[in-house]
Formats: sequence, C-alpha cells, structure tokens
Amino acid sequence: KQEVTQIPAALSVPEGENLVLNCSFTDSAIYNLQWFRQDPGKGLTSLLLIQSSQREQTSGRLNASLDKSSGRSTLYIAASQPGDSATYLCAVTSMDSSYKLIFGSGTRLLVRP
Amino acid sequence: GAVVSQHPSRVICKSGTSVKIECRSLDFQATTMFWYRQFPKQSLMLMATSNEGSKATYEQGVEKDKFLINHASLTLSTLTVTSAHPEDSSFYICSAGRQVNEQFFGPGTRLTVL
Repeated sequence: KQEVTQIPAALSVPEGENLVLNCSFTDSAIYNLQWFRQDPGKGLTSLLLIQSSQREQTSGRLNASLDKSSGRSTLYIAASQPGDSATYLCAVTSMDSSYKLIFGSGTRLLVRP
Repeated sequence: GAVVSQHPSRVICKSGTSVKIECRSLDFQATTMFWYRQFPKQSLMLMATSNEGSKATYEQGVEKDKFLINHASLTLSTLTVTSAHPEDSSFYICSAGRQVNEQFFGPGTRLTVL
C-alpha cells in the first residue's frame, strides 16, 4: 500500500531564504507526483506536476525534483516571500490504486517578513 | 480551462439533517470524480471515487449509506451527508478527472454540524 510522507511538518523561515520541502513515497510504481499549495480554509492549487519519466519541473521560483527509484521528491522555493505562507501537499498517482491520488500530510510553511 | 466548482462553500446545519454538496466541472467533461475529506491540520483522505452512470466506489471505512454519492452527468457529482452529526463536521473537497492521471480540485465545502 502506497504511503506518502512529508518532512518537515512545519517550517518557519525569514523572508528571502531559500528552502526545501521533502516528500517520500514507499512504492516507486507511480504515474506522476504533484505538489499542491493550500491556503487556510481553501481548496488546492496545483503547483507542479512531474511525470514518472521526468526528473524535475520548474515554475518561476519553484523547482520540484523526482527520484523515483529512491521514492523521493523535493520542492525548492527560492527567495521565499510572506505570500508563500501556506500548506504544501505532495501527492502521487500510484499505479496500484486505480489512478487515485495519495496525499502526504503536508508541510505548513510560514515566511516571516 | 479545467475549472471545478463546489456549492455551497460553507454550510451549517443541525444534527440529524442531511446536506447535499455539488461538484461541477465547468469547462470539461469528467467521467470520474473524487470526493475527499480533510480534518483540521491534516491531509486529504479519499472517501470515494464516482464514475458517471455507475455506483461509486468507497474507500475502506467510509459508510456508503452515510455518504451518498451520485454522478448523474459528465459534469456533476453530488455528495449527500445523511443524518449529519457533529463528527461529520469537516472540509469536503471534490476533484474531477480529465484524463487518467489528471485531476482538478474544487475550492472545498466547509460543513459544520451543530
């Protein structure tokens, strides 16, 4: 059974810092991995989608990498801003679960001005 | 493109009443829709997968008679929480599948049962 873990659970950094969020999954048989952002009381915003054949994706200040063989992904946020404060969720589409998304527990990020 | 809406965004009801939540794909047809539940400071837990025109598939531990799902068209799925109780209070999020591995999420519905 696929399990997704995110470390750290919470992170507080001063504005301007570069930071890395980690995601690990137990079964490497995945179609893709996605990073989402969730603001308090809101739905999900998809940030980056990495297909299983890809190693990384970039969007603006965000860069996500995928190492399928080791079951790991990282989300790199450059020059963090207070507006980046949110919960970041990692999710995989696992081949053994009929295309269902399996979510990690998230990392709550606070960027202090 | 690929917009998913949910209605209502927030609902407060008395214990014992039933509440219906709608999930619509506004600009694409979704043969599959997913319903998730999220408790405070926790991640999303899949409740059920609904396919247009067929019965929903519920995850282990989710009561199908408690959470009724109907997927009557390619753009609409509904979740009805029957005889709601305070422990059903949660944030419910739907997603609509446009392709096999592509889901788009709605903005969520906050349910509070008094």
